[in-house]
Amino acid sequence: GENVEQHPSTLSVQEGDSAVIKCTYSDSASNYFPWYKQELGKRPQLIIDIRSNVGEKKDQRIAVTLNKTAKHFSLHITETQPEDSAVYFCAASRSFGNEKLTFGTGTRLTIIP
Amino acid sequence: DVKVTQSSRYLVKRTGEKVFLECVQDMDHENMFWYRQDPGLGLRLIYFSYDVKMKEKGDIPEGYSVSREKKERFSLILESASTNQTSMYLCASSQGGTVPSYEQYFGPGTRLTVT
Repeated sequence: GENVEQHPSTLSVQEGDSAVIKCTYSDSASNYFPWYKQELGKRPQLIIDIRSNVGEKKDQRIAVTLNKTAKHFSLHITETQPEDSAVYFCAASRSFGNEKLTFGTGTRLTIIP
Repeated sequence: DVKVTQSSRYLVKRTGEKVFLECVQDMDHENMFWYRQDPGLGLRLIYFSYDVKMKEKGDIPEGYSVSREKKERFSLILESASTNQTSMYLCASSQGGTVPSYEQYFGPGTRLTVT
């Protein structure tokens, strides 16, 4: 089955700086890669996703890149703000999410004011 | 607005008890999922369902079963609760089919403590 590794497990950045979270996956048939954000005490919510036919996707201050050859994808947050503090989970799936998601172990991001 | 609700936010049960966790979604979603969330281990899939009366094992199904008698409701059953099943349980749903969005919508979670 699929295995998703996520690094780092914790990350602290100064407000205004950029943050990068990296994930690798094992199943070359995976073709859908979402990122979920979970604020303290709240439920995970989708923030951005990318499909295997796209190398990069941006949405305001967040972007995701995908390297299918290396089986590696990353979340980039620029101009970080206090409200970016949360746990971020990457995930991978075959069949564009119609099959099960395999999640990474999460990254706790802390923005230092 | 998609709404996924879970029957309890907090639950305390004794070892050996049978435990039912219920999840209801109101958006006619085809897919429903049960995860457990533990610190440092992320979200691990227990069971999922693509249709009524249909279920598939996830990555950690041992000690659990599920039931989906109606499209909107997906139940997780701990046949004989054990202390290692103390965890946060999250239910999720997604639309399914060939739609452009494959987002999973999560419930608020049930924190289960088994003593």
